[in-house]
Amino acid sequence: EPEVTQTPSHQVTQMGQEVILRCVPISNHLYFYWYRQILGQKVEFLVSFYNNEISEKSEIFDDQFSVERPDGSNFTLKIRSTKLEDSAMYFCASRPSSGNTIYFGEGSWLTVV
Amino acid sequence: AQTVTQSQPEMSVQEAETVTLSCTYDTSESDYYLFWYKQPPSRQMILVIRQEAYKQQNATENRFSVNFQKAAKSFSLKISDSQLGDAAMYFCAYRRGSGGGADGLTFGKGTHLIIQP
Repeated sequence: EPEVTQTPSHQVTQMGQEVILRCVPISNHLYFYWYRQILGQKVEFLVSFYNNEISEKSEIFDDQFSVERPDGSNFTLKIRSTKLEDSAMYFCASRPSSGNTIYFGEGSWLTVV
Repeated sequence: AQTVTQSQPEMSVQEAETVTLSCTYDTSESDYYLFWYKQPPSRQMILVIRQEAYKQQNATENRFSVNFQKAAKSFSLKISDSQLGDAAMYFCAYRRGSGGGADGLTFGKGTHLIIQP
């Protein structure tokens, strides 16, 4: 069964460093998402992406965050200057144009020290 | 803004018994979708079941079923014949159906389900 894949599974970074989290959505999906889950808390929506542009973003998704689809398969989340409070699990997700279910990857656990 | 409320931080059930997890939501939309996702210790988000708001019939998936009460804005999950593998965090989620296809999910805070052997 096709699935959303994410890399890395776990990354440790110094505060202030830039981080890029990578995702390969399911191949025929057209809507892409990033979510964040701080340890012990609920999953929070960050951003949605469609037709090579951001469709919707939450107030969490401030200027230090950016997303990109650099080629036909990858979908990336960049955090420009990481802060301690960015430590979280980051989930990539995708959805086909004809369906309403959002499929999640296994997550990338980011630890900022 | 839409909100999703799960009032049970933790539930415990004996193996083979039935358990119901509660979820309420608040929205002014008439077209939307509701989901239950399971998050085991591996932290992967796994879809359990989905309900379209326009459908009156409650969704079922094997041992999992929902009780969707649109007027009450309630969407509970029933797990029958509970198994040890059902132990996980369960999140209720809402997605708007209109106003653009890229709308993301709004999640509740989750219910930690413990299965007693």
